[in-house]
Amino acid sequence: GQQLNQSPQSMFIQEGEDVSMNCTSSSIFNTWLWYKQDPGEGPVLLIALYKAGELTSNGRLTAQFGITRKDSFLNISASIPSDVGIYFCAGREGGGSNYKLTFGKGTLLTVNP
Amino acid sequence: EAQVTQNPRYLITVTGKKLTVTCSQNMNHEYMSWYRQDPGLGLRQIYYSMNVEVTDKGDVPEGYKVSRKEKRNFPLILESPSPNQTSLYFCASSLSGGAGEAFFGQGTRLTVV
Repeated sequence: GQQLNQSPQSMFIQEGEDVSMNCTSSSIFNTWLWYKQDPGEGPVLLIALYKAGELTSNGRLTAQFGITRKDSFLNISASIPSDVGIYFCAGREGGGSNYKLTFGKGTLLTVNP
Repeated sequence: EAQVTQNPRYLITVTGKKLTVTCSQNMNHEYMSWYRQDPGLGLRQIYYSMNVEVTDKGDVPEGYKVSRKEKRNFPLILESPSPNQTSLYFCASSLSGGAGEAFFGQGTRLTVV
């Protein structure tokens, strides 16, 4: 199946700092999604992007759908300790009946208070 | 409360002993899917279903079966489990495939010895 390259694999930051992570693909995606997973829990959808160039915010989180449709980034501003977790990007190719979703391998975020 | 419920949360079984992991959602969602999560590999889609009696393979379907006889339920069946199926499994549902994977279950940690 398709692979998404997500970077960085992990980040250690101080509380209050901004964070940026991104995903790239060799294929064109029609949808980009960003999730957060807390330990022992299932992933929770943070932001969904459906159009190339789209920039969407959810509180302190901002994500963009790249113009080439092969990349997306997620920014977290003014990080707080509860931002700790694993962040995943996911992309969906094609439209119509193709609903297969491919996930990146995740970015582990640690926030030092 | 809107939720996706998986059972069991933890399961240890022996090679070759058939098992079923249940998944149920109470949101009248059309789209449901199963993922496995492995260290270093992220989340990989096993099977998905766009509606009752409509299922399709994801990226890693080998060794698994699914059924969708009712809209709310999407069980994952391992006819003859093997140790390489030891993993953390997640069920997810969304209103339609194009709306992204809005809700994930809590996960089922399966160990096959």
